[in-house]
Amino acid sequence: ETGVTQTPRHLVMGMTNKKSLKCEQHLGHNAMYWYKQSAKKPLELMFVYNFKEQTENNSVPSRFSPECPNSSHLFLHLHTLQPEDSALYLCASSQGGRGHAQYFGPGTRLTVT
Amino acid sequence: GENVEQHPSTLSVQEGDSAVIKCTYSDSASNYFPWYKQELGKRPQLIIDIRSNVGEKKDQRIAVTLNKTAKHFSLHITETQPEDSAVYFCAASNPQGGSEKLVFGKGTKLTVNP
Repeated sequence: ETGVTQTPRHLVMGMTNKKSLKCEQHLGHNAMYWYKQSAKKPLELMFVYNFKEQTENNSVPSRFSPECPNSSHLFLHLHTLQPEDSALYLCASSQGGRGHAQYFGPGTRLTVT
Repeated sequence: GENVEQHPSTLSVQEGDSAVIKCTYSDSASNYFPWYKQELGKRPQLIIDIRSNVGEKKDQRIAVTLNKTAKHFSLHITETQPEDSAVYFCAASNPQGGSEKLVFGKGTKLTVNP
């Protein structure tokens, strides 16, 4: 349960605020991911980092800006969000490469007012 | 790109019965298929996965079957218990580059009635 941690667990922000979500993995993995989970929708992949390099940007609006300073840490910087961005944001990590399981953090419940 | 369909969206069974959740995928190049369980307010947790070189995999009361020709895979839970109640997600992966890109189904809410 403590292999992938996320902070904060809950966040309420106004549309003009700037905030950051943090993810840390203690599993020695090389790939990290950001997902968005909204009600009644499948998990949506947002970004993928493999060995600190961004390998996927799944058509995410520029108001979401990821940062991966090293293989253990991942950030999601938020600015000028919209109410429809309210969701659970999940971080995950894996060994990288092919055919490896992804392990999720507990998520940050984001509410944009 | 890959598309994953999952059925049913809700499933209610009596304790002790079996539950089956089915998924289909569109990309024949996909070769990794994990299943996740997400309890209310908790993170998705990997419960079992299967790779395309295997047709079936079992772990105690949980089994997954894969039919590559038909492009579908299924989760089977036997002797269900109330603690099996959760949302279950299937996923498929077509590896690109060095990382794993998972496409998820919409989820099945399983309720096990005591």
